[in-house]
Amino acid sequence: DGGITQSPKYLFRKEGQNVTLSCEQNLNHDAMYWYRQDPGQGLRLIYYSQIVNDFQKGDIAEGYSVSREKKESFPLTVTSAQKNPTAFYLCASSILLLDAGELFFGEGSRLTVL
Amino acid sequence: QQQVKQSPQSLIVQKGGISIINCAYENTAFDYFPWYQQFPGKGPALLIAIRPDVSEKKEGRFTISFNKSAKQFSLHIMDSQPGDSATYFCAASWPGGYQKVTFGIGTKLQVIP
Repeated sequence: DGGITQSPKYLFRKEGQNVTLSCEQNLNHDAMYWYRQDPGQGLRLIYYSQIVNDFQKGDIAEGYSVSREKKESFPLTVTSAQKNPTAFYLCASSILLLDAGELFFGEGSRLTVL
Repeated sequence: QQQVKQSPQSLIVQKGGISIINCAYENTAFDYFPWYQQFPGKGPALLIAIRPDVSEKKEGRFTISFNKSAKQFSLHIMDSQPGDSATYFCAASWPGGYQKVTFGIGTKLQVIP
């Protein structure tokens, strides 16, 4: 079955540590995205990538970094510079078209900073 | 700045009733308006979507009503069921060589028996 796989599902981090969240897709989609979800704030875009080796900052990129070395993979690193990293992180992908279309989401990774 | 305003934030409906969630937008460049459904601990999934050239779209018990002049759109869930209990997000996007979607804050729907 095609889809998006995020890991780990739950992650605990001590303050000052960097953590990397994995996102892999086998949908052959060009575009990939990272969203952060907080209660009462909806989904906010962290980074997105249209093609391999290219990515752009979203609305809340500070304290995060990404890479896109393969079409299938778009890992997100939450760095120690992120002031409030506890959140639910969602990876998504879409067919890259000039026209808008559906976002396909993974099941998310819940990060808790202790 | 919230580009898509969604209300209410929470909604309780009795089984068999109609659930209504409203969204409003400002950017007239938006041309695609999807609704996503999210169950606890899961990622959102596309439920239904509409473009501004139509005023209504229906898929089963789910209907989007779209008012272009008022820049508003709404989701109606007819004959609401306990299995519809989830968080619903409206969203909007515009073309431009890539897809960037702006989401509302979400509505947590609870359908009680």
